[in-house]
Amino acid sequence: DGGITQSPKYLFRKEGQNVTLSCEQNLNHDAMYWYRQDPGQGLRLIYYSQIVNDFQKGDIAEGYSVSREKKESFPLTVTSAQKNPTAFYLCASSPDRVYYGYTFGSGTRLTVV
Amino acid sequence: GESVGLHLPTLSVQEGDNSIINCAYSNSASDYFIWYKQESGKGPQFIIDIRSNMDKRQGQRVTVLLNKTVKHLSLQIAATQPGDSAVYFCAEDGGEYGNKLVFGAGTILRVKS
Repeated sequence: DGGITQSPKYLFRKEGQNVTLSCEQNLNHDAMYWYRQDPGQGLRLIYYSQIVNDFQKGDIAEGYSVSREKKESFPLTVTSAQKNPTAFYLCASSPDRVYYGYTFGSGTRLTVV
Repeated sequence: GESVGLHLPTLSVQEGDNSIINCAYSNSASDYFIWYKQESGKGPQFIIDIRSNMDKRQGQRVTVLLNKTVKHLSLQIAATQPGDSAVYFCAEDGGEYGNKLVFGAGTILRVKS
């Protein structure tokens, strides 16, 4: 089955540590996105990539980094510079235009301990 | 910046009744709109979409209405069921030729049995 997979589902991080969230898709989609969701709030765009080896900052990119070395993969690193990283992180993908909507992963819940 | 907003953060309906979830958008150049459903701890799922050249589109038990004059989008769910309980998000393409989606804050739908 085609889909988008995020791992792990739950992640705990100590303060001051970097952590990487995985996102893999086998839908042959060109574009991939990372969103952050806080309780009771909507989705805020962190980074997006429309093509391999290229990505753009979203609205809240500070403290995060990404790479897009392969079409299928778009990992997100939450660095120690991110002041409040505890949140639900969602990865999505779409064809080169969003007119078919996004396909979302099931999310990773990151908690800083 | 441009944004998508929702009038009601929480909506409670009786099982079997119809539900109407509203959304206001501010970017008159937006060409594409989507409604997503998100259940607790999961990624959003596509419900229905509409292009700006339409004012109504129907799916199975759902209808989306678009009023470009007042920049208003609504989602109607017929014969609401307990399984419809979730957070509902509207999203727009922001007029950037389908570059990426901008999401509203979401409306919680609670279905009372």
